[in-house]
Amino acid sequence: GENVEQHPSTLSVQEGDSAVIKCTYSDSASNYFPWYKQELGKRPQLIIDIRSNVGEKKDQRIAVTLNKTAKHFSLHITETQPEDSAVYFCAASDTGRRALTFGSGTRLQVQP
Amino acid sequence: SQTIHQWPATLVQPVGSPLSLECTVEGTSNPNLYWYRQAAGRGLQLLFYSVGIGQISSEVPQNLSASRPQDRQFILSSKKLLLSDSGFYLCAWRRDNEKLFFGSGTQLSVL
Repeated sequence: GENVEQHPSTLSVQEGDSAVIKCTYSDSASNYFPWYKQELGKRPQLIIDIRSNVGEKKDQRIAVTLNKTAKHFSLHITETQPEDSAVYFCAASDTGRRALTFGSGTRLQVQP
Repeated sequence: SQTIHQWPATLVQPVGSPLSLECTVEGTSNPNLYWYRQAAGRGLQLLFYSVGIGQISSEVPQNLSASRPQDRQFILSSKKLLLSDSGFYLCAWRRDNEKLFFGSGTQLSVL
């Protein structure tokens, strides 16, 4: 099955700086890569996703890049704000199980 | 539009007691349904998934079970809870290779 590694586990940045979270996956057949944001005690919320036929996708301050050859993808948040503080999870589709396999999460803290 | 309902929001149960968590989806048919568990401060572990009525796949050996009696209903059960069953349980749904949406979750504390 799919295995997803996520780094770093914690990330602290100053407000206005950029934040980058990286993930690698193992199954070359995976073709869908979403990112979720989870605030304390809440459900994970989808913030952006990318498919394997696209190398980059942007949505305002958030962007995701995908390198299929290296089997890694990254989340980029620019001009960070305190409300960006949360745990972020990457995931990769597991076509065999029709499920998403999640990374272990990154706790992002944006210091005002 | 599609919505997913999960209940209860919180649950405190003694060790050895039974468990039943329910999840229903509205606004779609034949969804893929999932149960994930999240231990405190940890990642999302897939417990069960279902691609159709009566079709359940289990991901990890444990004392939990799942059932799908109707197309848009997914139930997580246990006959006897263990301390290690404590966690945040999330139901989710998606269509094949589409976006995954989570329910609001159940915080289960086994004491």
